[in-house]
Amino acid sequence: DADVTQTPRNRITKTGKRIMLECSQTKGHDRMYWYRQDPGLGLRLIYYSFDVKDINKGEISDGYSVSRQAQAKFSLSLESAIPNQTALYFCATNFLPGGQESSGANVLTFGAGSRLTVL
Amino acid sequence: RKEVEQDPGPFNVPEGATVAFNCTYSNSASQSFFWYRQDCRKEPKLLMSVYSSGNEDGRFTAQLNRASQYISLLIRDSKLSDSATYLCAPSQREQGGKLIFGQGTELSVKP
Repeated sequence: DADVTQTPRNRITKTGKRIMLECSQTKGHDRMYWYRQDPGLGLRLIYYSFDVKDINKGEISDGYSVSRQAQAKFSLSLESAIPNQTALYFCATNFLPGGQESSGANVLTFGAGSRLTVL
Repeated sequence: RKEVEQDPGPFNVPEGATVAFNCTYSNSASQSFFWYRQDCRKEPKLLMSVYSSGNEDGRFTAQLNRASQYISLLIRDSKLSDSATYLCAPSQREQGGKLIFGQGTELSVKP
């Protein structure tokens, strides 16, 4: 099984619909992230969570919300989807150990992506 | 100015060529740096981490210039399988280690 699992992998929906993308991880990491990728724009951070009770906005949070249901689960919601939210969405996890930086610190593990099309 | 900017590409090179990409970052507090490789429509995967001045792994070398705030990725003896998009991401401990990515540089290695 993958370390970071995203569902659904592909979704086509209509404008105005509510959509939830789910992410679960088996790595035991405390930090989880949602990124969006559009052609030519790289990965842009939507929301991130450093702990179950910690939620932070990223670069482009408008139109999105998140829920950290457990350490292993982080879901992204589009309350009312619009066409310009058509994109490839990635969930990722990492950890930040205390003390000096070391090999493996901060390294993100990504899910396989969720391709969302809003018509 | 964007927080992270990469050479726009695409880079089209013949097999065996040496190619270098640059990534500039605006946050001088950046402490660790990552190069990720992304194949078309797939998830990014870590290529190389840089925690000090640079790192080398086989044909790949990353060099960090903190004074000028850029990090480069050098690929020697390019292979067809190196064709991908390369993403740069610095991180800062003060921001909890979250990564902000550049827009990516596309590399196409031709026979």
